[in-house]
Amino acid sequence: NAGVTQTPKFQVLKTGQSMTLQCAQDMNHNSMYWYRQDPGMGLRLIYYSASEGTTDKGEVPNGYNVSRLNKREFSLRLESAAPSQTSVYFCASSYMGQAGDTQYFGPGTRLTVL
Amino acid sequence: DQQVKQNSPSLSVQEGRISILNCDYTNSMFDYFLWYKKYPAEGPTFLISISSIKDKNEDGRFTVFLNKSAKHLSLHIVPSQPGDSAVYFCAASGNFGNEKLTFGTGTRLTIIP
Repeated sequence: NAGVTQTPKFQVLKTGQSMTLQCAQDMNHNSMYWYRQDPGMGLRLIYYSASEGTTDKGEVPNGYNVSRLNKREFSLRLESAAPSQTSVYFCASSYMGQAGDTQYFGPGTRLTVL
Repeated sequence: DQQVKQNSPSLSVQEGRISILNCDYTNSMFDYFLWYKKYPAEGPTFLISISSIKDKNEDGRFTVFLNKSAKHLSLHIVPSQPGDSAVYFCAASGNFGNEKLTFGTGTRLTIIP
């Protein structure tokens, strides 16, 4: 089992460029999440998908879109990147997304926007 | 507003001694509390959790204590080992269905050999 995988590991963009961060899990989990981690801010939820076919905004959704392509895959898109989106992005998944469920994280994507 | 707070950004502890990491929360509707550990260039990994019906949960060298009246939890690591050097995040969730985690800002623990 690979667990949660993310691509790419690193990316540098210029302001205004677009890109999609890919995430896949092989644990047959129903819920998937996208977080960003910034110094001194902890992990903040961008979007989540409780189950295939559903997506909801988290704490910091502005400037992002998501697609739950199927049960395994959940992508995060930046349509027009801004320097404020420089961050480390983590994808996570959990079995049912219920209270107490453990979330399993991918290794992260380090994004720099110039 | 920060609903989950870790007021110590860093902590250094001698190898073999006890490490105590603290976390405070403000939302009285939180029902589950989790600790995650994160090494550089890796994603966070689950360490231990506790539900609000308990005041203590133990797993090997790791024990989490919950004081609901004070809205405070702590993670004890004993004895501390060099491999415990990492950033530790406290997280909390409610109990209303699909629950999102609210994370603290993290504490960087350094174990001194």
